Amino acid sequence: GAGVSQSPSNKVTEKGKDVELRCDPISGHTALYWYRQSLGQGLEFLIYFQGNSAPDKSGLPSDRFSAERTGGSVSTLTIQRTQQEDSAVYLCASSLDGAERTQYFGPGTRLTVL
Amino acid sequence: LAKTTQPISMDSYEGQEVNITCSHNNIATNDYITWYQQFPSQGPRFIIQGYKTKVTNEVASLFIPADRKSSTLSLPRVSLSDTAVYYCLVGDRRNAGNNRKLIWGLGTSLAVNP
Repeated sequence: GAGVSQSPSNKVTEKGKDVELRCDPISGHTALYWYRQSLGQGLEFLIYFQGNSAPDKSGLPSDRFSAERTGGSVSTLTIQRTQQEDSAVYLCASSLDGAERTQYFGPGTRLTVL
Repeated sequence: LAKTTQPISMDSYEGQEVNITCSHNNIATNDYITWYQQFPSQGPRFIIQGYKTKVTNEVASLFIPADRKSSTLSLPRVSLSDTAVYYCLVGDRRNAGNNRKLIWGLGTSLAVNP
């Protein structure tokens, strides 16, 4: 079946511009996560959605970052007024809730802020 | 949160068995051990998960001693395509939301040579 998809795969933007990154989770997965991975580093948790519950935004690095998940499916991560330190690969993952803990990751969006 | 320690890098040759050991001295009673594999320009991919003793699937084996303070991922007869970063993660798997609390370190960069 279809896995997690993300778009765009690559995004180059200028400092100060806003960007939107999209994630399509696996159908039926109620849990959705956004992570950031800087070059040569491990994953950094950003935000978590679970069903209709309020998202856990505790990992967002600043108020320039926001995310929404419409209809319990597609999610969009928005970065406003991008800075060079925002350059990283942004990964989305989904998983079933309850008994399933395995995360299924998308290919990521490589963001480069010039 | 259980912190893990694993070698930064390992080298091997095609056809050899590779064992990557991860230390997690403060693992909690409800914690499981999960390994992910990440290829360049891709998101991490679940390999194997275990709680104690030995777990084996079509890809790898996971050995966990009785005290659970460490675990060893065993890759039989590696090939060039096994060159990747391998992450050891420890966390409570009772619900998907706990995944956001996992600490992703630098992982072990495995290089398989011809």
